Amino acid sequence: NAGVTQTPKFRVLKTGQSMTLLCAQDMNHEYMYWYRQDPGMGLRLIHYSVGEGTTAKGEVPDGYNVSRLKKQNFLLGLESAAPSQTSVYFCASSRPGTLPRNEQFFGPGTRLTVL
Amino acid sequence: GENVEQHPSTLSVQEGDSAVIKCTYSDSASNYFPWYKQELGKRPQLIIDIRSNVGEKKDQRIAVTLNKTAKHFSLHITETQPEDSAVYFCAASKDFGNEKLTFGTGTRLTIIP
Repeated sequence: NAGVTQTPKFRVLKTGQSMTLLCAQDMNHEYMYWYRQDPGMGLRLIHYSVGEGTTAKGEVPDGYNVSRLKKQNFLLGLESAAPSQTSVYFCASSRPGTLPRNEQFFGPGTRLTVL
Repeated sequence: GENVEQHPSTLSVQEGDSAVIKCTYSDSASNYFPWYKQELGKRPQLIIDIRSNVGEKKDQRIAVTLNKTAKHFSLHITETQPEDSAVYFCAASKDFGNEKLTFGTGTRLTIIP
């Protein structure tokens, strides 16, 4: 099993450009999450999904959109990139109600720079 | 919403000594507290977790303690080794529902040989 994969690994954008980050998981997990990681800020939740066709806002959703058309994929879109969106983006997935631990499995990350 | 504070932000210890990282949370309804380890350039990975019906949990050299009344929990690493050098994140969530994790800001642990 590949686990959680992310595409691309690195990307440089100019201000105003758009892009889509792809997250895929082969563990048949119901829940998927997008985080951003900035120095000194920890991991902050952008959007999440509790099942195919459903999405919800997290802690820092502004400037991002998401879609979960297939259970195994979770897409994160930036419609008009801004320098403040320079960050490392992590996708994660989990199986709900898994006892004794609710482990979230993370992808390898995407390093995005917006100039 | 939930707020998780983590201290210290950086920690250096001599190899073989113990390291302690502390977190506090704000939402008394939170009942699941995992710790993730992130090595340089790698993805975060779960190393240990604790639920609110347990006060302490141990797994070899790492242990986590929880004080529900004070709303704080701590990670203890004993007999530290060079491979323990990493950034450690605490988090809090509620069981069931969306199981969103709120993370602390991280502690960079450096083990000095």
